[in-house]
Amino acid sequence: SQQGEEDPQALSIQEGENATMNCSYKTSINNLQWYRQNSGRGLVHLILIRSNEREKHSGRLRVTLDTSKKSSSLLITASRAADTASYFCATPMEYGNKLVFGAGTILRVKS
Amino acid sequence: EPEVTQTPSHQVTQMGQEVILRCVPISNHLYFYWYRQILGQKVEFLVSFYNNEISEKSEIFDDQFSVERPDGSNFTLKIRSTKLEDSAMYFCASSKDRESSPLHFGNGTRLTVT
Repeated sequence: SQQGEEDPQALSIQEGENATMNCSYKTSINNLQWYRQNSGRGLVHLILIRSNEREKHSGRLRVTLDTSKKSSSLLITASRAADTASYFCATPMEYGNKLVFGAGTILRVKS
Repeated sequence: EPEVTQTPSHQVTQMGQEVILRCVPISNHLYFYWYRQILGQKVEFLVSFYNNEISEKSEIFDDQFSVERPDGSNFTLKIRSTKLEDSAMYFCASSKDRESSPLHFGNGTRLTVT
């Protein structure tokens, strides 16, 4: 079974608009992480939210976590063309130390 | 800021050949990982490594794969006899500790098996 699954699969917005991406997961977690991947590059860690946190901010990023619904959202406010990338949520497996990544949301910000 | 470096950035090999992908993790990190991403697909976990041994591996990481930390800085992934389906981006990552610690990824090696 899949652990983290993002939706939408792709999102196209105008510069200045907000972008919201969602992630659902299946097992219990102690944290959830969001990563960004520019085309052809490695993943870059954006933000980590712990299971006892409901919301976290980092600059223009806002992440929420609802453990009762097993879901998280990533909001990018006032988007810029440079935000164009794929965004992945990742959760550590219940046992072991590996992070499992979702399929990602491809965000395109048009200028 | 320290970063994970991977070499080569692109490797082309013929089916059946052995390849070694190299990584230099961040120096004070203790956990090391290999992930792969087939074009347009998910980032898949291959293996994690801690204290000079494999701590976890996926079903993908079969007998054709091996990892090694030959010295204090390098972390390698060897594919013994490459198959066409091994063509993918291979990412090395490292982290300070096991839980609640973000992974730091390298920029990957694009492996093309012909």
